[in-house]
Amino acid sequence: GAGVSQSPSNKVTEKGKDVELRCDPISGHTALYWYRQRLGQGLEFLIYFQGNSAPDKSGLPSDRFSAERTGESVSTLTIQRTQQEDSAVYLCASSSGTTNEKLFFGSGTQLSVL
Amino acid sequence: GNSVTQMEGPVTLSEEAFLTINCTYTATGYPSLFWYVQYPGEGLQLLLKATKADDKGSNKGFEATYRKETTSFHLEKGSVQVSDSAVYFCALRQMDTGRRALTFGSGTRLQVQP
Repeated sequence: GAGVSQSPSNKVTEKGKDVELRCDPISGHTALYWYRQRLGQGLEFLIYFQGNSAPDKSGLPSDRFSAERTGESVSTLTIQRTQQEDSAVYLCASSSGTTNEKLFFGSGTQLSVL
Repeated sequence: GNSVTQMEGPVTLSEEAFLTINCTYTATGYPSLFWYVQYPGEGLQLLLKATKADDKGSNKGFEATYRKETTSFHLEKGSVQVSDSAVYFCALRQMDTGRRALTFGSGTRLQVQP
């Protein structure tokens, strides 16, 4: 596609439910990132995928968070047993994976946990 | 660890005013520095970058100089326009480690009034 696509754009869920967020990166981009942005705060790194290498999961805040990526395409971020503090915008970005670090961001998924 | 500190917003200016958004960083080694911009309703996009000390990144009339002695990367523009209204994020990437994820500041909202 022309850009990074994320779905859904908005998700409202009840505390304790599981949610899945989807990211379609730019075709051919080997690197994919997930970030979280709480209201009024900066972007918090969650996880990074690069080709077939083991993902960098160092930013995941708890074992309720997990992410997968199928080859060099779609990624899903799963949050189990959601809590109110999980409410945030979840941003996905992709890049060519070279030393050119221009990241292309999606518009994000606004997650609201009631 | 790495961190980025930006001036708090919102910054409200009249059209054609001079803009400075301060950014300082903490990092070990030699990071690359970036400014990303998020226009209303759009995803973050790269505005400019600098990869070594004393480099000046520039784009769309914006400039920022990598100052290693003051660990700063302040964003400037001589004459802002209404269309520059957006949220600006300063970021760094540690180039001499395997960590490829960008570390972002909290963002500074700029509002330009006609």
